Amino acid sequence: DAKTTQPTSMDCAEGRAANLPCNHSTISGNEYVYWYRQIHSQGPQYIIHGLKNNETNEMASLIITEDRKSSTLILPHATLRDTAVYYCIVHIANFGNEKLTFGTGTRLTIIP
Amino acid sequence: DGGITQSPKYLFRKEGQNVTLSCEQNLNHDAMYWYRQDPGQGLRLIYYSQIVNDFQKGDIAEGYSVSREKKESFPLTVTSAQKNPTAFYLCASSLYLAGANVLTFGAGSRLTVL
Repeated sequence: DAKTTQPTSMDCAEGRAANLPCNHSTISGNEYVYWYRQIHSQGPQYIIHGLKNNETNEMASLIITEDRKSSTLILPHATLRDTAVYYCIVHIANFGNEKLTFGTGTRLTIIP
Repeated sequence: DGGITQSPKYLFRKEGQNVTLSCEQNLNHDAMYWYRQDPGQGLRLIYYSQIVNDFQKGDIAEGYSVSREKKESFPLTVTSAQKNPTAFYLCASSLYLAGANVLTFGAGSRLTVL
């Protein structure tokens, strides 16, 4: 799986959009980009994933650059409950390759 | 509601004792995983299983053992051979969604060895 690079920490004001960047310059053509988050002392929670196109669901939007070497997770109206560690992961979904590697992620703090 | 149940949530054991952590899922997922998390660190893969009666070592399998006798269950045993077993243990299962592999996690089990 391709390596990802994320900032260690970020702050965002409550009610504003939180934009979390992720670099994955060695991504291969059939690797997906996934985002998970982990609220303190809980299990990680799946947020969104994408391959090439931008994606949106009820939690967030995922913007992938045209060359697929970086992506941004957008939380459109951040609330205090969005304070968590956010993990960006790149992975090929092949049978026999179910290993997903989580790095240390970005610690997002929402400021009241 | 479908989900993953890990038990116990908190566990204290004396050094040298084996400990078994339970993980049960009712999501009908084929693949299951065990991760370990240390304070301020990311998740590290211990073992994973794609199908019943088969499992693979992850990145830090030494000192751990697993079994997969039923699709719903994937217990993890932390043996006395694990040098530093105090950690937060997370179980997950996965579903393929349109070619992607999406994990669902349990709430975790926090093991403290005294």
